[in-house]
Amino acid sequence: GNSVTQMEGPVTLSEEAFLTINCTYTATGYPSLFWYVQYPGEGLQLLLKATKADDKGSNKGFEATYRKETTSFHLEKGSVQVSDSAVYFCALKETSGSRLTFGEGTQLTVNP
Amino acid sequence: KAGVTQTPRYLIKTRGQQVTLSCSPISGHRSVSWYQQTPGQGLQFLFEYFSETQRNKGNFPGRFSGRQFSNSRSEMNVSTLELGDSALYLCASSLPNRDTGELFFGEGSRLTVL
Repeated sequence: GNSVTQMEGPVTLSEEAFLTINCTYTATGYPSLFWYVQYPGEGLQLLLKATKADDKGSNKGFEATYRKETTSFHLEKGSVQVSDSAVYFCALKETSGSRLTFGEGTQLTVNP
Repeated sequence: KAGVTQTPRYLIKTRGQQVTLSCSPISGHRSVSWYQQTPGQGLQFLFEYFSETQRNKGNFPGRFSGRQFSNSRSEMNVSTLELGDSALYLCASSLPNRDTGELFFGEGSRLTVL
């Protein structure tokens, strides 16, 4: 079956540091890939997505590139802010249906 | 445009009881999905409804059930509650073109089973 593996957290960074959260996946076919973010006390929000190999998703300074050869979709940001503190989830969607398979989530804390 | 609304936000039940959670999707969204979020298991898919029909179901026991009404509102029910059912239950809705893959999540209903 499908699965998503994220780097273990929690991750603690200082403001303006570079962020990478690793995500690899196992899936049949050609899934779409997503990063969702969950701020404290809130539901999940879509951060960015990529629907085919070599696509780059970007939003709010975050980027991730769909790498089919390494089955990866790593999340990066060049300079994190305190307001980026949240839990980040990598997810995939099969080509049919709306069901998402999520990774375990990575807690990010950014200190001033 | 109002977001996904879930009620109640918090509830406490005891083992053996049953619970019903409600979800109102974004206006115009016809697909509703439910997920269970726990610290140990992460986010796990429960089921998905589209136009009042369940079209996908996760690997949960039959104690977990759901339904969708003609106005796209959805409910999920958990019977004979167990301690392990304590979790945040998230509802998500999506656009009629479900291939976009974007889900819009509510804030969740946090269930505590004592």
